[in-house]
Amino acid sequence: SAVISQKPSRDICQRGTSLTIQCQVDSQVTMMFWYRQQPGQSLTLIATANQGSEATYESGFVIDKFPISRPNLTFSTLTVSNMSPEDSSIYLCSAGTGEGTDTQYFGPGTRLTVL
Amino acid sequence: AQSVAQPEDQVNVAEGNPLTVKCTYSVSGNPYLFWYVQYPNRGLQFLLKYITGDNLVKGSYGFEAEFNKSQTSFHLKKPSALVSDSALYFCAVSLLYGNNRLAFGKGNQVVVIP
Repeated sequence: SAVISQKPSRDICQRGTSLTIQCQVDSQVTMMFWYRQQPGQSLTLIATANQGSEATYESGFVIDKFPISRPNLTFSTLTVSNMSPEDSSIYLCSAGTGEGTDTQYFGPGTRLTVL
Repeated sequence: AQSVAQPEDQVNVAEGNPLTVKCTYSVSGNPYLFWYVQYPNRGLQFLLKYITGDNLVKGSYGFEAEFNKSQTSFHLKKPSALVSDSALYFCAVSLLYGNNRLAFGKGNQVVVIP
């Protein structure tokens, strides 16, 4: 199984600013995923990041708000841009092979509070 | 569209009693089903999955799940609950078309009472 770390673990930010979250995997993986977990809610997929190509965004999420980088097979970043209090959530990254039967392993999450 | 439903909000169980967390699914084709657990202030931890084969799947920490095709269910079970099992449990289905994307249920808070 992959071991995934995220930085920062938590942050408190002012509205209108941006925060970049880093996700590091201890082995090379094909696909990385970014999820949002709003307070008391389930996980919602933001986008899928495949190395060497543009991220694929789910309905309701746009690149201008959540730009993603995937420079290599072990690393990805998610930026939350022009933040508002509604962006206060836990942001989790996960990694997998891209096969439907594969297990995704998750990072510990980044708890973001926007004031 | 693939989806899972977790009908209960919270499951309360006395320590030592059997624990069941319910999940039903809706998929076209063969379902790939997963259970994850989230402890406070921590990420999701994988418990088990059903891909094919034996309907009873055994996983981590003494948990198991039973796949029932006729009832479209994948309930998580543990014969004897521990206080440390108190956590948030998520059922998920793999979206067959789209690179292993997962769709999660709303989650169930499990409270094990000493």
